[in-house]
Amino acid sequence: ILNVEQSPQSLHVQEGDSTNFTCSFPSSNFYALHWYRWETAKSPEALFVMTLNGDEKKKGRISATLNTKEGYSYLYIKGSQPEDSATYLCASIGTGNQFYFGTGTSLTVIP
Amino acid sequence: ETGVTQTPRHLVMGMTNKKSLKCEQHLGHNAMYWYKQSAKKPLELMFVYNFKEQTENNSVPSRFSPECPNSSHLFLHLHTLQPEDSALYLCASSQAGLAAEQFFGPGTRLTVL
Repeated sequence: ILNVEQSPQSLHVQEGDSTNFTCSFPSSNFYALHWYRWETAKSPEALFVMTLNGDEKKKGRISATLNTKEGYSYLYIKGSQPEDSATYLCASIGTGNQFYFGTGTSLTVIP
Repeated sequence: ETGVTQTPRHLVMGMTNKKSLKCEQHLGHNAMYWYKQSAKKPLELMFVYNFKEQTENNSVPSRFSPECPNSSHLFLHLHTLQPEDSALYLCASSQAGLAAEQFFGPGTRLTVL
């Protein structure tokens, strides 16, 4: 993988459902993986920064895992709420100061 | 003012104009960034400043000229832009270091006619 890829591009879930999406990134020269939430008409907001293989982070109903050897990270949302509707961005940071963002996963939670 | 602020929020300019975007952070951070968000494309890093020194320039055309007079202020000077430069320009700041989470401003929506 040469670029950061996120899947799916968009997702519609019912309120209360749990969901997850994927960020794939180049595993060579990896330094850190960032997750951001970007709500419409607002600024991107940092969720997690992860650096270690096997790392897991959690913030409320949202959690993330990291596999640096195979180059992927999962973001999980448990019991989705309408306020979780946003675009979720991941960014891969390389050791040479390379910052690459994915195009994001757009999540819509239907009440 | 708190967080990261950007002015102006919207800017329309002709191809021969010179304008500047301003970013200010009130978080005590040491690193500041300029990003470009074009329609249907990922956020693209343009410039990085650490402790007022430019440490990254992602092959950005010279019609974009950054300036970081101190660790709280960042400018993007625009000159002889093209219509394809129309985009959302976001500023961010963080503590120095690649693993530091970034705090973003609201962005400037730029339209080049």
